[in-house]
Amino acid sequence: DTGVSQNPRHKITKRGQNVTFRCDPISEHNRLYWYRQTLGQGPEFLTYFQNEAQLEKSRLLSDRFSAERPKGSFSTLEIQRTEQGDSAMYLCASSLLGTMFQETQYFGPGTRLLVL
Amino acid sequence: QKEVEQNSGPLSVPEGAIASLNCTYSDRVSQSFFWYRQYSGKSPELIMSIYSNGDKEDGRFTAQLNKASQYVSLLIRDSQPSDSATYLCAVSGGYNKLIFGAGTRLAVHP
Repeated sequence: DTGVSQNPRHKITKRGQNVTFRCDPISEHNRLYWYRQTLGQGPEFLTYFQNEAQLEKSRLLSDRFSAERPKGSFSTLEIQRTEQGDSAMYLCASSLLGTMFQETQYFGPGTRLLVL
Repeated sequence: QKEVEQNSGPLSVPEGAIASLNCTYSDRVSQSFFWYRQYSGKSPELIMSIYSNGDKEDGRFTAQLNKASQYVSLLIRDSQPSDSATYLCAVSGGYNKLIFGAGTRLAVHP
């Protein structure tokens, strides 16, 4: 399978615990995005990387959230001191920066987080 | 005003009919437009992308873009029960993050 993969697929944690999610993009895709989706809403942008550089972070990304993409390959998203409001589907997408304005993002299966 | 607006639905159509899904956006500098399909509990799956004014057809799907009216639509011909899902409209300024609407739920009944 050459698509975007995410692990774990499901995570249940207690409030106050730290969690880390991993995303492996499509091979050779140089851009990687993180989104969060809650029930009944569309995905909301969190942050994105071009190669290993983090180029933009949303206002939604509080200081409890941190993301990395070492060596421009896989990425991790960590949430510290989780809160019940963090419960959501966390989606990763990757793309290949190419022809102007023609960048297509492909999504992974997501990690569903439940904070008790 | 939301940046990308869609009717939440549900839009109910009989099998074999044409389903018409609409989306408006507020940012005039938007350059890229996408339709994703999302089944319940699954992640978004790309259906169509469109970058220029006019129509773009792919199988049973046709995307329509009118930048002057800031309007994007998706037509699904010969709708099937397997098309029942939430359809997400997404907009990008180019080289950047996607801004999604909340989605329109489509129900195709036999």
